[in-house]
Amino acid sequence: GAVVSQHPSRVICKSGTSVKIECRSLDFQATTMFWYRQFPKKSLMLMATSNEGSKATYEQGVEKDKFLINHASLTLSTLTVTSAHPEDSSFYICSATAGTGGKTEAFFGQGTRLTVV
Amino acid sequence: GIQVEQSPPDLILQEGANSTLRCNFSDSVNNLQWFHQNPWGQLINLFYIPSGTKQNGRLSATTVATERYSLLYISSSQTTDSGVYFCAVGHNTDKLIFGTGTRLQVFP
Repeated sequence: GAVVSQHPSRVICKSGTSVKIECRSLDFQATTMFWYRQFPKKSLMLMATSNEGSKATYEQGVEKDKFLINHASLTLSTLTVTSAHPEDSSFYICSATAGTGGKTEAFFGQGTRLTVV
Repeated sequence: GIQVEQSPPDLILQEGANSTLRCNFSDSVNNLQWFHQNPWGQLINLFYIPSGTKQNGRLSATTVATERYSLLYISSSQTTDSGVYFCAVGHNTDKLIFGTGTRLQVFP
């Protein structure tokens, strides 16, 4: 299957600082990528759709000024958590979709565990 | 939006047992995937199965789209099968809505 790589896998930052997470599709091009957030023992919640060359689309309730998304190329999307606070601590996961002929299968990065202290 | 419920929420098995996990969804879909989330958080693709039946080793899955459910079968379970199993669905979009998950623990 297709490979999606996410970096870093783990990050600890101080309150008030910003953190950037990268998501790369290694062996395919992705015009669209997705960012999810997962709280402990909970399901994945879609945060936003990252669109190559245009603005991201955010789900209801997600602060676009807090979670900045940039999709500058067909293989890279970045999520920047700005002015991080302890409540932003969470597991963030990206995905990209690969496939043709009506089959579009999502592949996920390894995830980033963010801890804000 | 589409609601996705999975059952059971928790499942404890002894090695060698078989199990069936269920995924119910509230509206029509043309994309359905099953994932296994390992203890490190990585989501592993199990099946892309918007309809029909597929098998891969000890795992198999069936989706009955007209009745809005999918089943994941695990046979002869092993301790390495432990983790959380998610189904995720979509309709005319690459966006996936995740189910509530089933947490599986397999003991030796």
